Amino acid sequence: DGGITQSPKYLFRKEGQNVTLSCEQNLNHDAMYWYRQDPGQGLRLIYYSQIVNDFQKGDIAEGYSVSREKKESFPLTVTSAQKNPTAFYLCASSIYGQFETQYFGPGTRLLVL
Amino acid sequence: AQTVTQSQPEMSVQEAETVTLSCTYDTSESDYYLFWYKQPPSRQMILVIRQEAYKQQNATENRFSVNFQKAAKSFSLKISDSQLGDAAMYFCASLYSGYSTLTFGKGTMLLVSP
Repeated sequence: DGGITQSPKYLFRKEGQNVTLSCEQNLNHDAMYWYRQDPGQGLRLIYYSQIVNDFQKGDIAEGYSVSREKKESFPLTVTSAQKNPTAFYLCASSIYGQFETQYFGPGTRLLVL
Repeated sequence: AQTVTQSQPEMSVQEAETVTLSCTYDTSESDYYLFWYKQPPSRQMILVIRQEAYKQQNATENRFSVNFQKAAKSFSLKISDSQLGDAAMYFCASLYSGYSTLTFGKGTMLLVSP
């Protein structure tokens, strides 16, 4: 079955630690996205990538980094510079184009110890 | 900046009844798409329905339909014959030609009672 997988489901970060959230898709989609969701808020865009080896900052990119070395994978690293990382993180993908529907993975819950 | 506003933090409906969730958006763009996503307790975002701005006909997907009022910049979601499984957070979102990504509202929690 085609879809988007995110791992782990829960992730705990210690102070000063970098952590990486995984996002993989086998839908043959060109574009991939990372969103952050906080309680009482809609989703906010962190980074997106429309093709391999290229990515763009979203609205809240500070404290985060990404890479896009393969079409199927778009990992997100939450760095120690992100002072309030506790949130729910959602990855999405779409085929290339201006108005293509985005499909979401199941999400990763990040908590700070 | 593009904005999407959902003015109802929470709505309640009884099974088999109809409920309408409101959404307004702000844009000067002429070409855009609008979406409703559902987020159940599992927290995975599921596409419910989408509307192309250039189409006058309102989109329909089974029990879900929209009332798209372009001049008023309004995009409401109507759920007919509500079911317990419809209970979830519903997000309205927009996608514009000059942007590659979705802009989301803050969501409306839908409660469904037997």
